[in-house]
Amino acid sequence: AQSVTQLDSHVSVSEGTPVLLRCNYSSSYSPSLFWYVQHPNKGLQLLLKYTSAATLVKGINGFEAEFKKSETSFHLTKPSAHMSDAAEYFCVVSEPGAGSYQLTFGKGTKLSVIP
Amino acid sequence: SAVISQKPSRDICQRGTSLTIQCQVDSQVTMMFWYRQQPGQSLTLIATANQGSEATYESGFVIDKFPISRPNLTFSTLTVSNMSPEDSSIYLCSGALAGGTDTQYFGPGTRLTVL
Repeated sequence: AQSVTQLDSHVSVSEGTPVLLRCNYSSSYSPSLFWYVQHPNKGLQLLLKYTSAATLVKGINGFEAEFKKSETSFHLTKPSAHMSDAAEYFCVVSEPGAGSYQLTFGKGTKLSVIP
Repeated sequence: SAVISQKPSRDICQRGTSLTIQCQVDSQVTMMFWYRQQPGQSLTLIATANQGSEATYESGFVIDKFPISRPNLTFSTLTVSNMSPEDSSIYLCSGALAGGTDTQYFGPGTRLTVL
């Protein structure tokens, strides 16, 4: 069975400072890992995806995430926060099963950016 | 990526009534899914919408409460039946592209409030 733990329910940073959103996962297989972002009153947008090609994954809007198998982690980072980054971020794990791909979502981390 | 649209974007309904949500995907999508996001919570998979056959429901969700149709490859509906205030949530559909990829693209969601 797969599971995802987002270690912080809320992260607050000042504009221009680095962002770190933490995610740990558990999986019986070689998983795919995703980060999605949800802006207020909006649907989910895919930020980035890890498969197995490279441990450091670059996404949209300057975000990147590093897969660390030994730590079962997939933390999301950005060097410099922008006001538009304020949103809810979900770490997601996927395993193939029963002919369809099951996504398991973390509980989400709300990112606030202070001017 | 895939383009996913939903309607209505939001609705306010009375207890005991039913609401049908429509999801339209572009032609690249082969698999379609329906999720529920309760207030302040993460996403929970309701079911996989199967073309031309009964949907595959997750534990805790039943066809009588959430009937799903998928008459063709690019269209699906979710009905929330006999609604109660506990059904107030955001309902999202998603699609996965052909080729066995596990990446899902999400629609903007339908925000449902039941009075």
